[in-house]
Amino acid sequence: QVQLVQSGAEVKKPGASVKVSCKASGYTFTSYDINWVRQATGQGLEWMGWMNPNSGNTGYAQKFQGRVTMTRNTSISTAYMELSSLRSEDTAVYYCARGIAVAGTRRFDYWGQGTLVTVSS
Amino acid sequence: EIVLTQSPGTLSLSPGERATLSCRASQSVSSSYLAWYQQKPGQAPRLLIYGASSRATGIPDRFSGSGSGTDFTLTISRLEPEDFAVYYCQQYGSPVTFGQGTKVEIK
Repeated sequence: QVQLVQSGAEVKKPGASVKVSCKASGYTFTSYDINWVRQATGQGLEWMGWMNPNSGNTGYAQKFQGRVTMTRNTSISTAYMELSSLRSEDTAVYYCARGIAVAGTRRFDYWGQGTLVTVSS
Repeated sequence: EIVLTQSPGTLSLSPGERATLSCRASQSVSSSYLAWYQQKPGQAPRLLIYGASSRATGIPDRFSGSGSGTDFTLTISRLEPEDFAVYYCQQYGSPVTFGQGTKVEIK
């Protein structure tokens, strides 16, 4: 069965960076995009960007351009999202989600369990 | 960027009642790229509907989606206790955007 398993919670100081991992299993990792979505406590879902694990190509939401980097290690079927220059407003749960495009439709069909990142001095 | 506006913000209903949730886009969205997700407290979102009207694997037929252009609707025909949650619409354009969510709560 398809699973996305994320790394554990992180506590970071303002100005630091965080790197969250997302390990895929149950399917061919390089066949589907990985997207990253975050959610501050009590707030809605905010898309951060996507990565094609096969090519390494990425696309980032304008809000995060220059601060986010999405990478992968295909040998261990793992995607990474690194966010730098952290501030308190970056405190949120970060999700990875598989993006699927089939028969002309597109959606996020599987999600990781989420990783809480807390930014606090 | 396409802005998705969901209404109402909160829907207070009783089990067995019908729920109708709205998602309005700031510009036309391809139906193929419109999805709905359900999120319960402490859980990741779960895909319910894709292509505006197709149910995802394992989703009960009490959930249905409709609409086109700028107006989309998620309908839950008869609310079950496990359906009380927050629902988000999403469009898979560039960039991807989500609505702000509709909370369906027990009346």
